[in-house]
Amino acid sequence: GIQVEQSPPDLILQEGANSTLRCNFSDSVNNLQWFHQNPWGQLINLFYIPSGTKQNGRLSATTVATERYSLLYISSSQTTDSGVYFCAVGFSGNTPLVFGKGTRLSVIA
Amino acid sequence: KAGVTQTPRYLIKTRGQQVTLSCSPISGHRSVSWYQQTPGQGLQFLFEYFSETQRNKGNFPGRFSGRQFSNSRSEMNVSTLELGDSALYLCASSSGTPLDTQYFGPGTRLTVL
Repeated sequence: GIQVEQSPPDLILQEGANSTLRCNFSDSVNNLQWFHQNPWGQLINLFYIPSGTKQNGRLSATTVATERYSLLYISSSQTTDSGVYFCAVGFSGNTPLVFGKGTRLSVIA
Repeated sequence: KAGVTQTPRYLIKTRGQQVTLSCSPISGHRSVSWYQQTPGQGLQFLFEYFSETQRNKGNFPGRFSGRQFSNSRSEMNVSTLELGDSALYLCASSSGTPLDTQYFGPGTRLTVL
């Protein structure tokens, strides 16, 4: 079946450190999004990135669709970056997004 | 533009009761999707409504149902609540095209006692 795998499942960083989160998916995608879920449960869009590279401040993302993976980079991490990061993919047409299990990030001051 | 709103934000019910949750999408968006989030199962898709029609459905029992109104607002209903229905229910809105971003509401946290 359709698989979306995220790694690592948990990550603890010192404030100021950099990190890379990975999302592997099992089939060709027409939609890929990265979200950050804050401690109150709100899912915030970070990137819509079915292919290519995008940057937004300290965050950037790259999707290599032909190799079926996406990477989320967080530089100079801050305590407010803590939370769970989800990758979600859409595989064809109007099929719903399939979410990975997430990476729980804790940034320590 | 105002974001996606969900009401109520918190709800406590007892087993056997039923519950109705509401979601108002971003103005102009025609698609509303519902997700259930639990610690054990993660984020699971419930159903999607587009222009008042259910377009996609996840693998949930018939106790879970929904509808969408002409103004794109959506409701989901859970009948005969079970303890395992305790979860964060998230609603997402989008334009409805495949190559579009989904925007999530703050969620409704349902506790079933």
